[in-house]
Amino acid sequence: ELKVEQNPLFLSMQEGKNYTIYCNYSTTSDRLYWYRQDPGKSLESLFVLLSNGAVKQEGRLMASLDTKARLSTLHITAAVHDLSATYFCAVDISSGDKLTFGTGTRLAVRP
Amino acid sequence: AAGVIQSPRHLIKEKRETATLKCYPIPRHDTVYWYQQGPGQDPQFLISFYEKMQSDKGSIPDRFSAQQFSDYHSELNMSSLELGDSALYFCASSSGQATNEKLFFGSGTQLSVL
Repeated sequence: ELKVEQNPLFLSMQEGKNYTIYCNYSTTSDRLYWYRQDPGKSLESLFVLLSNGAVKQEGRLMASLDTKARLSTLHITAAVHDLSATYFCAVDISSGDKLTFGTGTRLAVRP
Repeated sequence: AAGVIQSPRHLIKEKRETATLKCYPIPRHDTVYWYQQGPGQDPQFLISFYEKMQSDKGSIPDRFSAQQFSDYHSELNMSSLELGDSALYFCASSSGQATNEKLFFGSGTQLSVL
């Protein structure tokens, strides 16, 4: 059974600081996704990572994938309050977009 | 750009009642997925359809059923509702079963069972 674990589960960080969220998964995967969710809202797609060594960046967020280590990271650079949300990684092992989500990391960026 | 549309946005039901959730995928998307997200939980895959046929099944209770219609919209039917069914139900759509594109989620239906 595929397990997807994120850490930390909760992250409180100061504006302007950098931090990394980690996503570990237990089975070889075709694709890994990162999503953002605001409270009570939908899942906003951030990145899809398809191959070992893939790195994608958008704004203050950068995601990477190491398929050998079964690890993905979401790095936050110079955090701002608008980044406060819950971030989920999700893994697809079926090539059919049946995603298994991680536990989520709740990020709070304080002034 | 058109997104995945779900209705209703909010639904309040009592125990043992039935509920129907609707999902309209992005135009030209032929694959629909249903996910359930309990309070403070991560989304859990329920079921998916490709070209109107069930393509995969997850942790969907036997009390629930779903189908995809000829216009590709999908409905999730929930019967004998229980308190534990209270959750946010998301629909997502994609084009084809294997895609390199991001999976697009709707805004969700918040179901509250009293």
